[in-house]
Amino acid sequence: DSGVTQTPKHLITATGQRVTLRCSPRSGDLSVYWYQQSLDQGLQFLIQYYNGEERAKGNILERFSAQQFPDLHSELNLSSLELGDSALYFCASSVDPRSTDTQYFGPGTRLTVL
Amino acid sequence: AQSVSQHNHHVILSEAASLELGCNYSYGGTVNLFWYVQYPGQHLQLLLKYFSGDPLVKGIKGFEAEFIKSKFSFNLRKPSVQWSDTAEYFCAVNEPSGANNLFFGTGTRLTVIP
Repeated sequence: DSGVTQTPKHLITATGQRVTLRCSPRSGDLSVYWYQQSLDQGLQFLIQYYNGEERAKGNILERFSAQQFPDLHSELNLSSLELGDSALYFCASSVDPRSTDTQYFGPGTRLTVL
Repeated sequence: AQSVSQHNHHVILSEAASLELGCNYSYGGTVNLFWYVQYPGQHLQLLLKYFSGDPLVKGIKGFEAEFIKSKFSFNLRKPSVQWSDTAEYFCAVNEPSGANNLFFGTGTRLTVIP
């Protein structure tokens, strides 16, 4: 157990819908990262937050958005869902945003879009 | 943009065999290097990381990796694998001066036969 929790574990929804994935970082970690793992694209960085502020952006679609709340948990919102959005979404956390700081990964949320 | 190549997609070994998984990256500057492991049904966890200094890095569970700058490689090794090493292994890099977002390779699935 990494200490990072993600809910829900599984999510099945239809195209065009909107979903919210939730992540609680390890106690004491201020930085949160979101990654998408799909069969065709592999593991891709989406977005990073540090202490409530967006820190870095990767290959995140405009239909996707995220935020980190004052209690440091983070939510990833996916809207106008398409079949290709089906993937495993991982959250990770670290104490600070330095490049040398170890990221601890959560168990992931498996999203299936039908 | 950085890219990470893991040429072995699936490796099958018998217990006690030696393991070497390849990882090459493309980036002109200094990088930090990581190996993560994902056991079946579990979250990604860090095996080892390299920032600077001795290019031979030792990690958990008997794994080690060697950074060869001239070859842009960071291969993972273990002298004698066990059935419990069956997992997916991911190489990742990030930039020391940048944000802590990781660029992952496509992963290598290791199957160890008892």
